[in-house]
Amino acid sequence: EDQVTQSPEALRLQEGESSSLNCSYTVSGLRGLFWYRQDPGKGPEFLFTLYSAGEEKEKERLKATLTKKESFLHITAPKPEDSATYLCAVQAPGGNQFYFGTGTSLTVIP
Amino acid sequence: KAGVTQTPRYLIKTRGQQVTLSCSPISGHRSVSWYQQTPGQGLQFLFEYFSETQRNKGNFPGRFSGRQFSNSRSEMNVSTLELGDSALYLCASSSSSENSPLHFGNGTRLTVT
Repeated sequence: EDQVTQSPEALRLQEGESSSLNCSYTVSGLRGLFWYRQDPGKGPEFLFTLYSAGEEKEKERLKATLTKKESFLHITAPKPEDSATYLCAVQAPGGNQFYFGTGTSLTVIP
Repeated sequence: KAGVTQTPRYLIKTRGQQVTLSCSPISGHRSVSWYQQTPGQGLQFLFEYFSETQRNKGNFPGRFSGRQFSNSRSEMNVSTLELGDSALYLCASSSSSENSPLHFGNGTRLTVT
């Protein structure tokens, strides 16, 4: 069964303290792995798509990487405005259905 | 470019009633998907419409239904509401390109009492 698992569930960081969020997946025929950011009371906001093992994408303080079984979202020198829930998702084969993890709630303390 | 618009933002309904939620996708996007988000389960796929046809359906009971109009706008209907239907309902649109990301609206918060 296709599945996405994120860890940790919650993470508290001091401002400037770098860390990584993990997304492990099992899916037959990965078409893409997607990272989203969700702020309270809002819908998820698209960050990155990764398609193949070894691929990396960067945006400001965020860098996403992909292996054959997992993806990491690295956060370098985070700021309080990076506080949000980060979701990863994989696209199921043969359609436009996505499987989402339950997210990592990140809090960055000034 | 305007984003995905969902209305209403909040709804309070009584058990047994029915409800209709509305979604306007990003202009030019023909695929519209619906997801249910709850604290325990995360985002669960409901269904996806493309050019007025349901292409995919998740594992939800038949009380959950949807449709898409010729202008790509979509509605979702839940009949005979149950307490467990309380959730954030998210609509997302995507372009027709292969492996396009979903772009979400801010959701409709449904509370069933």
